[in-house]
Amino acid sequence: AQSVTQPDIHITVSEGASLELRCNYSYGATPYLFWYVQSPGQGLQLLLKYFSGDTLVQGIKGFEAEFKRSQSSFNLRKPSVHWSDAAEYFCAVVHWTGGFKTIFGAGTRLFVKA
Amino acid sequence: EPEVTQTPSHQVTQMGQEVILRCVPISNHLYFYWYRQILGQKVEFLVSFYNNEISEKSEIFDDQFSVERPDGSNFTLKIRSTKLEDSAMYFCASWAPSGGAKTRSTDTQYFGPGTRLTVL
Repeated sequence: AQSVTQPDIHITVSEGASLELRCNYSYGATPYLFWYVQSPGQGLQLLLKYFSGDTLVQGIKGFEAEFKRSQSSFNLRKPSVHWSDAAEYFCAVVHWTGGFKTIFGAGTRLFVKA
Repeated sequence: EPEVTQTPSHQVTQMGQEVILRCVPISNHLYFYWYRQILGQKVEFLVSFYNNEISEKSEIFDDQFSVERPDGSNFTLKIRSTKLEDSAMYFCASWAPSGGAKTRSTDTQYFGPGTRLTVL
């Protein structure tokens, strides 16, 4: 079955430090992969997506993610974290059944310390 | 940028009452969805809807739930008799394959801002 694993429930980084959030997926075919960010009580904002082509994808707010098929991973990175990046981050894979169905990971909560 | 809208943003109801959550998907989209997020948990798929019928539903989507597209713009989720455990954020989403064909595409599923349902 398709699934997404985010091994870190929460991560704390210092402002200005680099960030990497891990995501592993299980999917039989070529996956469509996404990262979403959610601030407390808010909706889901799409950071970036991967469908095919260049395995390093750029997103909004300075985020990027790299698709590694050999490791079944799609880790999210940012070179320098800002306090406003504190939020919950969800990795997701789209399951194709003739229509999209998004399967989300459990999320990683990012705390940013001054 | 097109967007999915949802009303109300927050709904409070008594246990056992019926609630209807409303969504206006993006106008030219063909597939519509509801997802649920219990506080502090991940977002879970509930149901997908295409061509005026349910195309897929999860085990969460039991007989207490129903969906409808009553007109050309709205998409609703009804919970007939709410339970405490129905308290969650409910997200509507829509999607359309490019060119109108049912093929994989580079389009993205667009999510609404959510309706927070509180069952007392």
